[in-house]
Amino acid sequence: RKEVEQDPGPFNVPEGATVAFNCTYSNSASQSFFWYRQDCRKEPKLLMSVYSSGNEDGRFTAQLNRASQYISLLIRDSKLSDSATYLCVVNVANDYKLSFGAGTTVTVRA
Amino acid sequence: GAGVSQSPSNKVTEKGKDVELRCDPISGHTALYWYRQSLGQGLEFLIYFQGNSAPDKSGLPSDRFSAERTGGSVSTLTIQRTQQEDSAVYLCASSGLTGRDLDTQYFGPGTRLTVL
Repeated sequence: RKEVEQDPGPFNVPEGATVAFNCTYSNSASQSFFWYRQDCRKEPKLLMSVYSSGNEDGRFTAQLNRASQYISLLIRDSKLSDSATYLCVVNVANDYKLSFGAGTTVTVRA
Repeated sequence: GAGVSQSPSNKVTEKGKDVELRCDPISGHTALYWYRQSLGQGLEFLIYFQGNSAPDKSGLPSDRFSAERTGGSVSTLTIQRTQQEDSAVYLCASSGLTGRDLDTQYFGPGTRLTVL
């Protein structure tokens, strides 16, 4: 089983819609979780960190479900500029090493 | 302030040649990481530096791959006798050394390596 698994999508949504997707992780002892955003042919950039049950930053909400071992990302009022690949990242062993999911592609259309 | 920089941004080489990729981390970041990202794949961990030492080299795919870091700053990743399967984007990241600083990695723009 992979350490971090994501639905690859793509999720195609109209502007203004809400889109949400999940990521599952294998190690129940993991403590730190992140969502990174990666634009085409660019480097990953940190979008949000999740250390407790969830986090909210503007239109973006991340929620952690420890019992079921998944993290979700919800984007409200989608903008064209939200089109990107969203990487789920888990600090599996609570050390320096981060495990990256393969990413979920979101395309917001006008 | 300046972010993580990498050079070259693109490298095309012939099979069997050696290549050297460079990473300049954020000033003051003690931890440095190399990753590889193949098309449509997640990031694959290669090596972790703490200062100039590499306590974890477990992700290096073969003995053709090596990396060093000098002065607690610049790092080079060397691939000897390149093969076509080495074609990928090589990403470098840096972070602080403790707690949540260690968690938060900042990435460079990557080096796109193509082996013909």
